[in-house]
Amino acid sequence: DTEVTQTPKHLVMGMTNKKSLKCEQHMGHRAMYWYKQKAKKPPELMFVYSYEKLSINESVPSRFSPECPNSSLLNLHLHALQPEDSALYLCASSRPDVYEQYFGPGTRLTVT
Amino acid sequence: SQQGEEDPQALSIQEGENATMNCSYKTSINNLQWYRQNSGRGLVHLILIRSNEREKHSGRLRVTLDTSKKSSSLLITASRAADTASYFCATLRGYSTLTFGKGTMLLVSP
Repeated sequence: DTEVTQTPKHLVMGMTNKKSLKCEQHMGHRAMYWYKQKAKKPPELMFVYSYEKLSINESVPSRFSPECPNSSLLNLHLHALQPEDSALYLCASSRPDVYEQYFGPGTRLTVT
Repeated sequence: SQQGEEDPQALSIQEGENATMNCSYKTSINNLQWYRQNSGRGLVHLILIRSNEREKHSGRLRVTLDTSKKSSSLLITASRAADTASYFCATLRGYSTLTFGKGTMLLVSP
């Protein structure tokens, strides 16, 4: 299995809602990532988990809360988002000793 | 800030032609990677070139790296309509932090 899956594919939420994005991989990768990508822009790193521990937070607002319950799962909890947070949210994973990252298809988030 | 800067921003060619995209970066690197993204989808790793390599091939892909000029190029030979996508170079910061360039949108017409 060389796939990273993400659910849901699309999400529309209001500014007062609480929702979660889910990412899963079964490749035995011990590094997992969240990226945010706005239209016609490159992905921007948000968080890095290494061996289920948060290792990098790229100064992301606290309305985004990551969680890594186990080595295969990565969640991104969303609360009180703003319309400018609308974007494609990409999850990726990699082996700690290999630079190549495997990306999921993304969740298209719209905040109304 | 973005580490890599690709040019051109957009490229339109006919099937069978070659496509060349360039990437410049600012700081020293251990390696440089190229990724492809089909519209609104996840990224797919294409090729990695290490700082001590000057050229690397993978199928119809050829990547060059010039560390003295801090630049890389991606050549796709004999392009196909299925090559239509955005292409990003990416450099590594630390062990795991990828910084992507602005990307080149490639359109291959039948």
